[in-house]
Amino acid sequence: QKEVEQDPGPLSVPEGAIVSLNCTYSNSAFQYFMWYRQYSRKGPELLMYTYSSGNKEDGRFTAQVDKSSKYISLFIRDSQPSDSATYLCAMSAGGGYQKVTFGTGTKLQVIP
Amino acid sequence: SAVISQKPSRDICQRGTSLTIQCQVDSQVTMMFWYRQQPGQSLTLIATANQGSEATYESGFVIDKFPISRPNLTFSTLTVSNMSPEDSSIYLCSVFVETQYFGPGTRLLVL
Repeated sequence: QKEVEQDPGPLSVPEGAIVSLNCTYSNSAFQYFMWYRQYSRKGPELLMYTYSSGNKEDGRFTAQVDKSSKYISLFIRDSQPSDSATYLCAMSAGGGYQKVTFGTGTKLQVIP
Repeated sequence: SAVISQKPSRDICQRGTSLTIQCQVDSQVTMMFWYRQQPGQSLTLIATANQGSEATYESGFVIDKFPISRPNLTFSTLTVSNMSPEDSSIYLCSVFVETQYFGPGTRLLVL
């Protein structure tokens, strides 16, 4: 069993839809949870960063962490064609230089 | 923040040859990280490179296959040696400056 499981998609939605991206994990030591966005032919860029359980909102993006279920989510409201990218979840047991474990990524396409 | 550049952006190589990938950061950093990203697989850490010391390799990766240099605080190279088609992948350089930053990647195809 992989430490982090992520549905690879692809996920195709119409513009304006609410998108839900999810990851499950097995390592209960994970405390820091990240979402990265990776455009085609680019490196990943950090989108959201959450410590422990709870919600965090940044504009149209909301990250949720449920440590009891070992489940994290990223919601995108009013999705735009510019949101079309691969979204990677990532997590680590500690902050800073601690080793990060990544999901395989979900490819999202937002259709105008 | 950190801006990372990588060279080459892509290459096609013959099996048995070696390729050296360069990574340049716009600020001085203690650690630089090298990752591999293969289709359908998660980003995998190859090694961590500190300036002035030997790189630390993750399980499954060895120095003979992936030698790394770190001559100063803004530059590193990763060499993929004696390549086989299984080495075809995207190789990413990364640094940590408050958060983690990635370079644009080097797309390698081995024939």
